[in-house]
Amino acid sequence: QKEVEQNSGPLSVPEGAIASLNCTYSDRGSQSFFWYRQYSGKSPELIMFIYSNGDKEDGRFTAQLNKASQYVSLLIRDSQPSDSATYLCAAWEPSGGGADGLTFGKGTHLIIQP
Amino acid sequence: DAGVIQSPRHEVTEMGQEVTLRCKPISGHNSLFWYRQTMMRGLELLIYFNNNVPIDDSGMPEDRFSAKMPNASFSTLKIQPSEPRDSAVYFCASMVDPGKWGNEQFFGPGTRLTVL
Repeated sequence: QKEVEQNSGPLSVPEGAIASLNCTYSDRGSQSFFWYRQYSGKSPELIMFIYSNGDKEDGRFTAQLNKASQYVSLLIRDSQPSDSATYLCAAWEPSGGGADGLTFGKGTHLIIQP
Repeated sequence: DAGVIQSPRHEVTEMGQEVTLRCKPISGHNSLFWYRQTMMRGLELLIYFNNNVPIDDSGMPEDRFSAKMPNASFSTLKIQPSEPRDSAVYFCASMVDPGKWGNEQFFGPGTRLTVL
């Protein structure tokens, strides 16, 4: 069974610091990894996704992937109070016959302290 | 585009009643997903459709759950009979073709279901 593990938190980070969110996955067939942000009472929204080993940067966000260690992370630089949310890590494995759903972790609750 | 549309946004019902959740995907998206989110289990995939055809319903918890997609612009998730443990937020999401590396899934606002 595919599993994606995340520390549930809460992870408390002071404003302006770097927030580091981590995720591990069990299925080596997973090819791509997605980071979604979910505010309380809202639906998940995509921040970024990564499929190659190494780092991928988008503004204040950097995703890191290490397929050998089955490890994914998301760094948020210059953290803002508006970054306070639950961050969901998801793994995607291609199938032969159509689109697959994502396997989500339970999320890490991030709190940015002003 | 209005995004993924779900109705109702909130549903309160009594145990044993039938519940029908509705979803309109983004126009042009050919994959549709139903997820359920609870504090205990997180976000779980129930079923997904590709080009209106159910591809994998292994996440559907029991025979009480059924889903249909009669056309490209409409899908329903039905629970009959409903039970208190079905209380959760149900999300519908849609996506264009996944391509080689997957693609963004766009989530609707969700339906918060409470079964008394």
